[in-house]
Amino acid sequence: GENVEQHPSTLSVQEGDSAVIKCTYSDSASNYFPWYKQELGKRPQLIIDIRSNVGEKKDQRIAVTLNKTAKHFSLHITETQPEDSAVYFCAATLYGNNRLAFGKGNQVVVIP
Amino acid sequence: DAGVIQSPRHEVTEMGQEVTLRCKPISGHNSLFWYRQTMMRGLELLIYFNNNVPIDDSGMPEDRFSAKMPNASFSTLKIQPSEPRDSAVYFCASRKAGGLNEQFFGPGTRLTVL
Repeated sequence: GENVEQHPSTLSVQEGDSAVIKCTYSDSASNYFPWYKQELGKRPQLIIDIRSNVGEKKDQRIAVTLNKTAKHFSLHITETQPEDSAVYFCAATLYGNNRLAFGKGNQVVVIP
Repeated sequence: DAGVIQSPRHEVTEMGQEVTLRCKPISGHNSLFWYRQTMMRGLELLIYFNNNVPIDDSGMPEDRFSAKMPNASFSTLKIQPSEPRDSAVYFCASRKAGGLNEQFFGPGTRLTVL
């Protein structure tokens, strides 16, 4: 089955700095890669996603890059703000498969 | 749209009791997923349905767990008998047809088994 790993498990950044979280996956057939943000006590919510036919996608302060050859994708948050503090989950799906395999999550702490 | 609805939001029960968690997916979504989240194991997929039919239940931990989807607007996850190690947050999520569409999560049910 699909194996999705995230690094680092915890990331602390100063407000205004950038944060980068990397995710690796095992199945070369994976074709959809979403990132979810989960605040304490809340549900996971999609913040950005990318499909395998695209190398990069940006939405305001967040961006995702995909390297299919190396089988990894990364979340970039620029100009971090305290409200960016949360757990971020990456996921990957298999072509023709309906399910998502989630990583264990990264705790991001933005220090004011 | 109200989003995915789950009930109850919190459940505290004693070991051995039956627990039933409920989910109403977003109208028009034809895929429904049940997840369990714990600190140790993260977000685990238990089972998912397409058009009310269970497709993959390989994540269901034991025979004590069962799930049903009698119609497009309702699903249940039942644990009988419950054990302390079942304590977790259980999320339901739904999605439109197609694997490249967003999964929308419900607010979750926090289950505590004493």
